[in-house]
Amino acid sequence: GENVEQHPSTLSVQEGDSAVIKCTYSDSASNYFPWYKQELGKRPQLIIDIRSNVGEKKDQRIAVTLNKTAKHFSLHITETQPEDSAVYFCAQGDYKLSFGAGTTVTVRA
Amino acid sequence: EAGVAQSPRYKIIEKRQSVAFWCNPISGHATLYWYQQILGQGPKLLIQFQNNGVVDDSQLPKDRFSAERLKGVDSTLKIQPAKLEDSAVYLCASSGVNTGELFFGEGSRLTVL
Repeated sequence: GENVEQHPSTLSVQEGDSAVIKCTYSDSASNYFPWYKQELGKRPQLIIDIRSNVGEKKDQRIAVTLNKTAKHFSLHITETQPEDSAVYFCAQGDYKLSFGAGTTVTVRA
Repeated sequence: EAGVAQSPRYKIIEKRQSVAFWCNPISGHATLYWYQQILGQGPKLLIQFQNNGVVDDSQLPKDRFSAERLKGVDSTLKIQPAKLEDSAVYLCASSGVNTGELFFGEGSRLTVL
């Protein structure tokens, strides 16, 4: 599959602070960029996605930005809460998705 | 709406044995995926079906892995013979028409000893 690099691999933030995860990709033809959240022992679930015709999308405390020229997209979580602690995966593709390696986010109370 | 069903949830086998995993996607979802998730890594696509046809199996180790979706609904993934490095969670996912969102099952955790 196409390479998707995700950074950082781990992220620890104080409750109430923001968390940012960045992914870079190589396939310039990709048009779909979702983010999945996977809690320990659970299935991955879609939390937000963006298509290549927009640069930013927001849903309450979560936002995703896309820079197609630079081939990177980022997840922003504001006002983090303990329930935001999980592994977050970026992905990219069209008819099939390639996933990043994941970022383990820990929100400290 | 029922989600993606997978079984078994856990399986422990010895190397060189065989194992089979079953998946029933969300009703009406034409596309079905099998992903392998090794501990600490992101899901890796093994095979993708559109109805009962294979769309992509480029990363499926065909010498030991096989999958089928004969009637375009449920699917089976088989590993024979298993190797130690096959220890992973096997995630099944499905998606509907004109949507990119994947709905994952709970996964089948395989341990090869």
